[in-house]
Amino acid sequence: GGIITQTPKFLIGQEGQKLTLKCQQNFNHDTMYWYRQDSGKGLRLIYYSITENDLQKGDLSEGYDASREKKSSFSLTVTSAQKNEMAVFLCASTSRDNYAEQFFGPGTRLTVL
Amino acid sequence: GDSVTQTEGLVTLTEGLPVMLNCTYQTIYSNPFLFWYVQHLNESPRLLLKSFTDNKRTEHQGFHATLHKSSSSFHLQKSSAQLSDSALYYCALSVGMGYKLTFGTGTSLLVDP
Repeated sequence: GGIITQTPKFLIGQEGQKLTLKCQQNFNHDTMYWYRQDSGKGLRLIYYSITENDLQKGDLSEGYDASREKKSSFSLTVTSAQKNEMAVFLCASTSRDNYAEQFFGPGTRLTVL
Repeated sequence: GDSVTQTEGLVTLTEGLPVMLNCTYQTIYSNPFLFWYVQHLNESPRLLLKSFTDNKRTEHQGFHATLHKSSSSFHLQKSSAQLSDSALYYCALSVGMGYKLTFGTGTSLLVDP
């Protein structure tokens, strides 16, 4: 088994601020993901990384940057926080097997004042 | 592009009644892989079941679903709802190399005593 940790658990920012969310996994998985979860909109893919040194844009990448520092870690940066924004950001990982199960972290809840 | 439609945002039913959550998808690929993920309150999404075989029933933890390529559907069913089934259910689609999941908007299932 393994675990995914996300830091921080809660993130409060100011409008226009650059904010960074971190994710670590010890599954030894190759592929990692960042999703945004909004009520009524489901899980939307922001960025993913198939393997170390790879970075792929998802459907919601505008306004975000990502970095795969090493196999076990994947960071997401909100480049300019939007006022009154509230969402949960979920990190996930999976093995390189096709159509493998994705394992999700506990999430970071973002609030922008 | 690929898409997943879950028509019900909220399904409320009484314990003991059957459950059916709808999921349809659109893709140009002929070999889609379909998933159901479940997210209980204050938890992360986790895989419930998955399938890529046309017209074959897949079961897990009392739930079942059958992929029907002819109607592009993968509805989730259970014969008798339990209180513990109250959760958010996501249908998801994967095609091609299988790295990327496209999620529906989710259906909240609320089971009353």
